[in-house]
Amino acid sequence: KAGVTQTPRYLIKTRGQQVTLSCSPISGHRSVSWYQQTPGQGLQFLFEYFSETQRNKGNFPGRFSGRQFSNSRSEMNVSTLELGDSALYLCASSLWYGGGSTDTQYFGPGTRLTVL
Amino acid sequence: GDSVTQMEGPVTLSEEAFLTINCTYTATGYPSLFWYVQYPGEGLQLLLKATKADDKGSNKGFEATYRKETTSFHLEKGSVQVSDSAVYFCALRGADGLTFGKGTHLIIQP
Repeated sequence: KAGVTQTPRYLIKTRGQQVTLSCSPISGHRSVSWYQQTPGQGLQFLFEYFSETQRNKGNFPGRFSGRQFSNSRSEMNVSTLELGDSALYLCASSLWYGGGSTDTQYFGPGTRLTVL
Repeated sequence: GDSVTQMEGPVTLSEEAFLTINCTYTATGYPSLFWYVQYPGEGLQLLLKATKADDKGSNKGFEATYRKETTSFHLEKGSVQVSDSAVYFCALRGADGLTFGKGTHLIIQP
């Protein structure tokens, strides 16, 4: 089975621009979650989607948004980029969602975003 | 809210040494617990998991036991190799996705 794929792998943007990142989950997985990884804050949860609906959201400003399509693929968007948005953005897929879930989230290789 | 605490390192060991990376957590209920590993320039790979108290997860010589009494999930390996050098993350599955520790950078010297 193919793993989680993310595109693009690297992005360079300037402050004020917007960016869209894409994630394709493992076949059969219906839940997609997004995380931000920075040296200072570590790994932080952004949001989780299941069946095209956002199920959970982390503590990030409204500039961070996402969506999920009927084929479970997901995109996240960051508008009005700030220098502090430079990070590795990781997507993870799983069969189910939520805190009661015991299934595993499988991660993609990430998209490295640099904001200049 | 949920939180995970783990030793940050770097932890430097010689090849064939015994490894322990401590992990403790605070959470509501009994969440599933995970160890992930990250190699340079890559995403996270699942190393092992445990879904209920007293469960032992194991993979590639690594082990961790879900201890409800001490809210811990310490990672151990009997004999480490140079190829085990990486960053290790302890995590729990809560209502708001995975909550991660800060990561432990492990360096194994030949």
